[in-house]
Amino acid sequence: ETGVTQTPRHLVMGMTNKKSLKCEQHLGHNAMYWYKQSAKKPLELMFVYSLEERVENNSVPSRFSPECPNSSHLFLHLHTLQPEDSALYLCASSQEGHNYGYTFGSGTRLTVV
Amino acid sequence: GQSLEQPSEVTAVEGAIVQINCTYQTSGFYGLSWYQQHDGGAPTFLSYNALDGLEETGRFSSFLSRSDSYGYLLLQELQMKDSASYFCAVGSASKIIFGSGTRLSIRP
Repeated sequence: ETGVTQTPRHLVMGMTNKKSLKCEQHLGHNAMYWYKQSAKKPLELMFVYSLEERVENNSVPSRFSPECPNSSHLFLHLHTLQPEDSALYLCASSQEGHNYGYTFGSGTRLTVV
Repeated sequence: GQSLEQPSEVTAVEGAIVQINCTYQTSGFYGLSWYQQHDGGAPTFLSYNALDGLEETGRFSSFLSRSDSYGYLLLQELQMKDSASYFCAVGSASKIIFGSGTRLSIRP
């Protein structure tokens, strides 16, 4: 475990389902991130939360909806996804202003059928 | 915009030295970092260069030349456990942008 815990590890969902990914960090960090990792592509930054406020939404479709209720928890709510959304979704945390040394969770492997 | 280029695959022999290069284009550069990711695992932070020069951490070293927008990760005394993907990443004010990763395969 890296200090950042993601659940579930694997998720298979239909295109009409609604599901949520959860991320929890116990490192005392105050910034959290969602990244999407597809095969042979760079990690794509989706959302940035700093001090519990969303500071970046990287042109992500509205079928992805983030939520950060406090500095230790981050959610990604999913609805009406497409098969091309199948990927590994990674959560990371850091100290705000430290643009290095991110701690990543092990990710949720999402398959949309 | 921002972009990073690194080789997609590198193969090396156990015990040897390998260098993984990274070139970048970015605005608001704050530093170059490197991450390692084993299959099925989380990316883990390896090193960070904010200033020009070489940073050494055990068997791994990282280099940065800001004037050339270039850096590299040097792995010495390669071990089979070093087989993984290595990502360079560029930091800006509020985020990190990653390259596509270099898959390092090590032969006995």
